[in-house]
Amino acid sequence: DGGITQSPKYLFRKEGQNVTLSCEQNLNHDAMYWYRQDPGQGLRLIYYSQIVNDFQKGDIAEGYSVSREKKESFPLTVTSAQKNPTAFYLCASSMRDWFTEAFFGQGTRLTVV
Amino acid sequence: GIQVEQSPPDLILQEGANSTLRCNFSDSVNNLQWFHQNPWGQLINLFYIPSGTKQNGRLSATTVATERYSLLYISSSQTTDSGVYFCAVEGTSGSRLTFGEGTQLTVNP
Repeated sequence: DGGITQSPKYLFRKEGQNVTLSCEQNLNHDAMYWYRQDPGQGLRLIYYSQIVNDFQKGDIAEGYSVSREKKESFPLTVTSAQKNPTAFYLCASSMRDWFTEAFFGQGTRLTVV
Repeated sequence: GIQVEQSPPDLILQEGANSTLRCNFSDSVNNLQWFHQNPWGQLINLFYIPSGTKQNGRLSATTVATERYSLLYISSSQTTDSGVYFCAVEGTSGSRLTFGEGTQLTVNP
């Protein structure tokens, strides 16, 4: 089945460690996005990518990094510089860059202790 | 950037009741989507509706782009409808889906 796969579903890390969240899609979508959700709140955009080897900062990019080496993959690294990394992270993709329907993965819950 | 306001923030219903959720946005949009976030956190696409009216079973949505609002109707609600409903919009300048804070719906048996 076509879709967006995020792994792992749950992730625990010690404070000060970098951690990478995986996002893979087999929908042949050009654009991919990373959002962060805190309890009781909406989603905020971290990074997005319209094409391979290109990406742009969203609203809350500080403390995060991404890469887009393949069309299918858009991993997110949460670095030690991110002050409050504990959150729910959602990856999405869409057919073209803008104005088309976006689809989301199942999310990764990151807990930093 | 574009602002998105959803109302009400919380809604409690008895099974079988109908409800209307509202999404107001501050600027012209080229993309508007409604999502249902289930208890496990996954966002389920309900409607892609930058304008007009769509229906899917017990759910329907209407977007009046000129007046900058969208409505999501849920009829004959079921306990499985519980969860958070999000409206997300993309302005004409593009670049991102901006989400509202959501409506937390609880349907009691």
